[in-house]
Amino acid sequence: AQTVTQSQPEMSVQEAETVTLSCTYDTSESDYYLFWYKQPPSRQMILVIRQEAYKQQNATENRFSVNFQKAAKSFSLKISDSQLGDAAMYFCAYTSGTYKYIFGTGTRLKVLA
Amino acid sequence: DVKVTQSSRYLVKRTGEKVFLECVQDMDHENMFWYRQDPGLGLRLIYFSYDVKMKEKGDIPEGYSVSREKKERFSLILESASTNQTSMYLCASSLSREMIRNEQFFGPGTRLTVL
Repeated sequence: AQTVTQSQPEMSVQEAETVTLSCTYDTSESDYYLFWYKQPPSRQMILVIRQEAYKQQNATENRFSVNFQKAAKSFSLKISDSQLGDAAMYFCAYTSGTYKYIFGTGTRLKVLA
Repeated sequence: DVKVTQSSRYLVKRTGEKVFLECVQDMDHENMFWYRQDPGLGLRLIYFSYDVKMKEKGDIPEGYSVSREKKERFSLILESASTNQTSMYLCASSLSREMIRNEQFFGPGTRLTVL
């Protein structure tokens, strides 16, 4: 069965610094998609970044980038130049062609001024 | 922009009451989902619908039912609310079953407390 693991329940980063959130997953599929979602306090969850498993190149979206290691089944999120507005719960998610998305347990990111 | 709305942000109900949570999306998405979010457990899928009147059980369907009579609306029903159903409930939608690359769009959530 597919699983998604986020081993860091909470992380802190100083404003303007860089932080990396970890995510590992387990699957026997070869074609799948990985996502990072952000859930700010009392606000809707939104997509941060998406990675297609068949693409070697790591996805980037402005200050957000991923380190996708397919063989190691690792999908970490790097946030550069952290801002106060980055404080949120971050969820890693996986889907492989069915309706089902599998979410990790989340990492709460605190940004210190 | 896709908009997913949920009928209530906060709800307080008594044990044994029948509870309806409503979700509406405005972008003609085929797929709609109900999740339950609990600290340390992440998001767990309760039910999924890929078309009107179609539904599939997720990982934790016990104690819940759903209804999808119109494409834009997906309701979650707690037939007889219990205290262990106190949680945050998130509705989501996505474009179609075939397009797996499509992200899910989430509603703001309903925090349900069952006393």
